[in-house]
Amino acid sequence: DIQMTQSPSSLSASVGDRVTITCRASQSIGTYLNWYQQKPGKAPKVLIYAASTLQSGVPSRFSGSGSGTDFTLTISSLQPEDFATYYCQQSYKIPPITFGQGTRLEIK
Amino acid sequence: QVLLQESGPGLVKPSETLSLTCSISGASISSDYWNWIRQPPGKGLEWIGYVHYTGTTTYNPSLKSQVTISLEPSKNQLSLKLNSVTAADTAVYYCARAPRITMLGSWFDPWGQGIQVIVSS
Repeated sequence: DIQMTQSPSSLSASVGDRVTITCRASQSIGTYLNWYQQKPGKAPKVLIYAASTLQSGVPSRFSGSGSGTDFTLTISSLQPEDFATYYCQQSYKIPPITFGQGTRLEIK
Repeated sequence: QVLLQESGPGLVKPSETLSLTCSISGASISSDYWNWIRQPPGKGLEWIGYVHYTGTTTYNPSLKSQVTISLEPSKNQLSLKLNSVTAADTAVYYCARAPRITMLGSWFDPWGQGIQVIVSS
């Protein structure tokens, strides 16, 4: 199985901050990496697919980069609605599809 | 707009079979890949498996002996059966579409709202 490791596991930040979350794959996955946002009690929502493509309707303050084993999700200027848990997911080697353990983004 | 809605019992006894249905509107089940994903309380996401509209299935090896995913095209639904459940199967269960023509590189969008299932006697 490909293990996906996110860092940090939790993060405190303020509105307006620039935030970066990292996802590392246990082997190269090209750019087959997707990012999700999940708010409490809600289903995850895709933000970025194929490492850097912004899903339609997602604000442009979200961006993704990386290839191979190392990927980042960046929020350029945090908004109040961005406080949530973020997950990365690989679908390069199936089965299984695997997710990172999540990064909880909290208000400082 | 594609909408997915999970349904089924919220409480299942240990050793019994968990059965869930996902109703799809705004899209035909006779295309795309359809997935089940679960999330234990306070934990991360675990992919369970998928079914393709051709009927092909692929499951997470960690659950393969327990899981059956199938389509009901006449009802535009997919189903999940998980047998011999234990407390470790307590989770929110989501159905989700993979919108690519191949699962390689695919993501999940949209998701259903999820259904909480508790395994307890």
